Amino acid sequence: EVQLVESGGGLVQPGGSLRLSCGGSGFTFRSYWMHWVRQVPGQGLVWVSRIDGDGNTLYADSVKGRFTISRDNAKNTLYLEMNSLRVEDTAVYYCARSWQGGPDYWGQGTRVTVSS
Amino acid sequence: DVVMTQSPLSLPVTLGQSASISCRSSQSLIHSDGNTYLNWFQQRPGQSPRRLIYKVSNRDSGVPARFSGSGSGTDFTLKISRVEAEDVGVYYCMQATHWPLTFGGGTNVEIK
Repeated sequence: EVQLVESGGGLVQPGGSLRLSCGGSGFTFRSYWMHWVRQVPGQGLVWVSRIDGDGNTLYADSVKGRFTISRDNAKNTLYLEMNSLRVEDTAVYYCARSWQGGPDYWGQGTRVTVSS
Repeated sequence: DVVMTQSPLSLPVTLGQSASISCRSSQSLIHSDGNTYLNWFQQRPGQSPRRLIYKVSNRDSGVPARFSGSGSGTDFTLKISRVEAEDVGVYYCMQATHWPLTFGGGTNVEIK
C-alpha cells in the first residue's frame, strides 16, 4: 500500500525557517517524481514544487529562491526546506507522488503557521 | 500561468441524481507528446485530496465507475452518475501540461 507521511510543520516567526519531511513507503520511491502542494485552510490547492528522480527541480514563483525541494532516495524521504518564511506561507503542506501526469497519492499534510 | 476556471462554485445535488462539473483552461492542454494532462481530484471534508481521473478520462485505481471524465483542448467535464452521500466534498481540476501546475478553484458538491 502506498503511504506518504509528512512531518516537520509547526509555528514559526516571519523570516524564520522550517524543514518539512515526507516519508514514502509501498512503492519504489526513487522511480517517481514528487510534489509539494499547499492549501490554506478553507481555500484551494496550490502547487509549490516538484523534483524528478534525478533531482531536477521546479518551483512556483511565489517560493522560488526561498524554498528548496530535495530527496534522499536511500531513505525514501522527500524534503522541503523553507527559508525567509512569510505570513502568506501559512498553509497545510502536502507531499504527493506523481504518476501519469499528476499527483496520484497524497500524504495527510502537515500544518505550517507563520506568525509573530 | 494557465488559468483553470471551474463552474459551478457550488453544486447541490439530490442523492441518486447525476452531477456535472465544468473546467476550462486558458490555453490548450494538449502536450507536445500528444497527451492531455488534465486531472480531477476529490477532497472530502477533513481529508487529503484524492485523484479520481488522469489524462482527461482515465479513472485511478479504486475509483467507482460512476465517476467519468471527458473533454479536449480547453474544455473538460467531470460527471458523477447517481450521486451518493460519500461524494460530498470539493472537486478540483488540475492541469499538468504546462509548468507551473495549476488547479481550478474548486466546486463544492453537497446533498440537497
